[in-house]
Parts: sequence; C-alpha cells; structure tokens
Amino acid sequence: GAVVSQHPSWVICKSGTSVKIECRSLDFQATTMFWYRQFPKQSLMLMATSNEGSKATYEQGVEKDKFLINHASLTLSTLTVTSAHPEDSSFYICSASGDFSYEQYFGPGTRLTVT
Amino acid sequence: DAKTTQPTSMDCAEGRAANLPCNHSTISGNEYVYWYRQIHSQGPQYIIHGLKNNETNEMASLIITEDRKSSTLILPHATLRDTAVYYCIVNGAGSYQLTFGKGTKLSVIP
Repeated sequence: GAVVSQHPSWVICKSGTSVKIECRSLDFQATTMFWYRQFPKQSLMLMATSNEGSKATYEQGVEKDKFLINHASLTLSTLTVTSAHPEDSSFYICSASGDFSYEQYFGPGTRLTVT
Repeated sequence: DAKTTQPTSMDCAEGRAANLPCNHSTISGNEYVYWYRQIHSQGPQYIIHGLKNNETNEMASLIITEDRKSSTLILPHATLRDTAVYYCIVNGAGSYQLTFGKGTKLSVIP
C-alpha cells in the first residue's frame, strides 16, 4: 500500500516553454502533498507543501509564479514549471501523506532537462 | 527541527549487519527520529521511525539511546540492493515537514 506515482518519469523541454509534472497517490487519499527538487549530488530541498483544495505554501526562495502547484483532488497534485530555463533542470520528487500517519510516501521522481 | 549529523559514507560487506549512526544532540522531547533511504535516481523510501523506544520492522531496527541524543539504524543482513544514501531526520510531532541533510552513502560490497 501507500504507492505514489509520478508522470512523466523524464522530460526534455526547450527553454521558455512550460512543463507539467503529475503526482498521484494510487491507493490512499493524500491530504498533504510535497514537492522537492534535487540537483546532482545534492540532497532533496523542499519546494512547497500543498493541502487539497488550498493554495500551496512555498519555501523561502521558491518563486510561486514560476512553479505552479495545484492540489485539486485527494489523489492528484501537479507542478507546472513555467518559462523553463536550463537552471531549472533537476530531479523533481513529490511525496504524499494521508490522514492515517505522518509518514511521507515518495514518488519515483521526474528528471527535467531544459535545453 | 533538530539538526542531525551523519558520517558521509560507509562500507559494509554483503551479508553482514550495517550499523548507521546518527547524532541529534539538540532533539527535543516531542521530536521523532525518522530514517529514509534513496537509491540512485529514485525517490526516497521510508524505513522506520521512533520516539524513544527501540523499533523493529521488516526492513531494519532503530536503536535510540536513553538520552535520545543519538540513534543507530541497523540493517541486519545487508544486500547489494541496500546500497543507497540513508537519511536520518528529526521531525516534530504533528509536523509533516522533512528536512533532508546530506545523509550517509552506504556501499554494500560483495
């Protein structure tokens, strides 16, 4: 149980375009979802926290107008990277928590390359 | 949340127990110790968590010192698939947020 999926697993896009990453909880209702970013050989950095039906809370230094997060249902959250630049190339990972515990279950990650 | 300190890297022979230490000397009374691991290019995987008592599950054991200032994650019989970065995280009760440090890169050697 407690499976989280992400789609796509990898994406290449051109500079200036937008790309959407989906995060789904497959077998539980995720009241809270998190988005992390991980650059090569670095640790995960939390970008934002979202609760279903509410606006996301962004960490300091993360541009909310650039990284649009939507958590419209209890099983789906999306991260849209708008006007992507090469420096946005990274590994994006989502996680989800349900009402049953404070454990976070992580998705497999999405590798974004902006050319 | 309290800060944690872990060794940068460790090696372990396949089939032997892997003991991964973590210092969290500033932990407060209501903070839990969580362990996650991340295999290369994958999302982190939850391993175990505890408050003050030792805990065991199908993956590992967690030993927390009596003063709670340090803990050890034990993988009883390490396999090559246990090669990963292991993160020790201290998290307040009722808090969903996890702050990842640099972790310990465990290499299991045949």
